[in-house]
Amino acid sequence: AQSVTQLDSQVPVFEEAPVELRCNYSSSVSVYLFWYVQYPNQGLQLLLKYLSGSTLVKGINGFEAEFNKSQTSFHLRKPSVHISDTAEYFCAVSQQGNNDMRFGAGTRLTVKP
Amino acid sequence: ETGVTQSPTHLIKTRGQQVTLRCSSQSGHNTVSWYQQALGQGPQFIFQYYREEENGRGNFPPRFSGLQFPNYSSELNVNALELDDSALYLCASSLGRKNTEAFFGQGTRLTVV
Repeated sequence: AQSVTQLDSQVPVFEEAPVELRCNYSSSVSVYLFWYVQYPNQGLQLLLKYLSGSTLVKGINGFEAEFNKSQTSFHLRKPSVHISDTAEYFCAVSQQGNNDMRFGAGTRLTVKP
Repeated sequence: ETGVTQSPTHLIKTRGQQVTLRCSSQSGHNTVSWYQQALGQGPQFIFQYYREEENGRGNFPPRFSGLQFPNYSSELNVNALELDDSALYLCASSLGRKNTEAFFGQGTRLTVV
C-alpha cells in the first residue's frame, strides 16, 4: 500500500519569505499526488494535483509543486507567503485506479508579520 | 465552497451510543468517500461508495458502516461508540472511483464522552 511522510510538522516563516513544505511518498505502482489546505474548523481544499504529464504543477493561491519520481517526493513551494497562508497543509497519495487516498500527518504553516 | 454539505456540524454522544452522519455530494458526482481525522492527524480513509455500492474500505471495524442513496448522498453510521471515535469526520465527493479530484465538505465534529 502507499504511504506519505511529511517531513516537517511545523514551519514558521515571515511574511513575504519563500516557503517549501516537504512530502515524500512510497508506492510500488504509479500514483496520483495531491496537496490540500485546511483552515481552522474547515474541511480540506485542494491546492493542486499531479496526475500525469509535466512534473511541475501550479495550483491556487500561488502555490506550486514538483513531482520527482526518482526521489519519490512532491514538495510544495510558494515564493512569497502571506499572513492568510497560515493553515495546515496535507500531502496525499493514491495509487492510480485505487480508491484509497492516504494522507500525511500534516504541516502547520505559520506566517508571521 | 465545494458544494459538499455535511450534517450536523457538531454533536456530542455518549460511549456505547450510535450515531449517523450525513453527506450531500456535489452535483453530478457519483462517488462519496468518508475519512476520520483525529486531532492533530491527517485524515484516515474509512470507506468509499460508488453508485450505491461499497467500493473499498480502510482499516476500520465493522461497527463503521455506510449507505449511499440513489441521489448519491451518503450516510456514515457508527455503532457502540468509543471515546477514540472522537474526531472530525470528513466526506469527499468525486466523479468516478479513481480519486483524481475529491471535493471535501466542512466535516462533522463528533465528541464521545
